[in-house]
Amino acid sequence: DQQVKQNSPSLSVQEGRISILNCDYTNSMFDYFLWYKKYPAEGPTFLISISSIKDKNEDGRFTVFLNKSAKHLSLHIVPSQPGDSAVYFCAATSSSSGGGADGLTFGKGTHLIIQP
Amino acid sequence: DTEVTQTPKHLVMGMTNKKSLKCEQHMGHRAMYWYKQKAKKPPELMFVYSYEKLSINESVPSRFSPECPNSSLLNLHLHALQPEDSALYLCASSQDPSLSYEQYFGPGTRLTVT
Repeated sequence: DQQVKQNSPSLSVQEGRISILNCDYTNSMFDYFLWYKKYPAEGPTFLISISSIKDKNEDGRFTVFLNKSAKHLSLHIVPSQPGDSAVYFCAATSSSSGGGADGLTFGKGTHLIIQP
Repeated sequence: DTEVTQTPKHLVMGMTNKKSLKCEQHMGHRAMYWYKQKAKKPPELMFVYSYEKLSINESVPSRFSPECPNSSLLNLHLHALQPEDSALYLCASSQDPSLSYEQYFGPGTRLTVT
């Protein structure tokens, strides 16, 4: 049973426009969410994160929105650039592991293609 | 410096071989992780080390044996693997687990079992 879902395997956006990537989760224990970007043959690169005590976090061109009641988050990239073409993974974790480290649960990823 | 290094980049091994994957970070992070990623799938957690102690083992077969010799190094010892174990093996690290949840990944080791 997938606890983190990215229902769009791919998304094509024109350069300069807004890219919106969506993610849903089912586990109510998740309270910290992260977005990673991955190029082929490389490891995932951390982009931006958000705690469940917030509903928005912004870093440059990247903004993550969290809707806890809907168990939904989204990543907005504005403006989209050709170098943004990659696979984007949504990930989630729980802070309730008693201060110990916990792994991340990943979605299946969305392949973002920025068209010139 | 947010670099996690992994060696080797590629590894081909037979089912009777013994090999090891190595991961290193010098960011002072106190948690380190092994993930396995099959083609067109998300990374899946295998092991977590917190303050050099194994804290999570996600029911991984005993042919995979992790080791954390010190706070900067993480090894994954491989023995008698199966062809279905072929995958990208990713190492990650994070700061004090009680303070931060961001994990930083290495480039991975592409493993092929023949």
